[in-house]
Amino acid sequence: KQEVTQIPAALSVPEGENLVLNCSFTDSAIYNLQWFRQDPGKGLTSLLLIQSSQREQTSGRLNASLDKSSGRSTLYIAASQPGDSATYLCALEGNKLVFGAGTILRVKS
Amino acid sequence: ETGVTQTPRHLVMGMTNKKSLKCEQHLGHNAMYWYKQSAKKPLELMFVYSLEERVENNSVPSRFSPECPNSSHLFLHLHTLQPEDSALYLCASSPGAAGELFFGEGSRLTVL
Repeated sequence: KQEVTQIPAALSVPEGENLVLNCSFTDSAIYNLQWFRQDPGKGLTSLLLIQSSQREQTSGRLNASLDKSSGRSTLYIAASQPGDSATYLCALEGNKLVFGAGTILRVKS
Repeated sequence: ETGVTQTPRHLVMGMTNKKSLKCEQHLGHNAMYWYKQSAKKPLELMFVYSLEERVENNSVPSRFSPECPNSSHLFLHLHTLQPEDSALYLCASSPGAAGELFFGEGSRLTVL
């Protein structure tokens, strides 16, 4: 059974900092890994999708990496802004799509 | 209209009521999903439809009844719910059974 863990559970940083969010998983037999952003009371917005054969994806200030051998993915956010404040979730597609519990990010101005 | 649209955005119902949540996707996708998001818990997959056929029922109580009349619309019929069913219900779609997910804004359900 796939288990997905996101660390840290919550993070508060000053504006401008570069930061890393972590997602670890127990079963490396996956098709893809997706990072989402969720604002309070809202739906999820897809940020990046990494296929199983890929090592990383980049979109603007976001970079996500995937290391299946170690069961880890990281989401790197460069030059963080207050508008980046949200909950960030990773989800792994294997036999089932399994979500982590999320990391609550607060960027202080 | 773009993306995935859910209505109503907020719903309050008593335990004896019958109501429905509606989801519509304008992306030409073949798969649609219902998820439940409770406070401080990971998203829980409830149902998956692929090409209008239910391909997964994740041990959801029968008081939740999904309906997928076509590839663009998905409903979740609710009856005799319990207070612990209060949650944010999220609809999503993807091009196929495995692929990038696109979510709606969710329907916030409160059961009194």
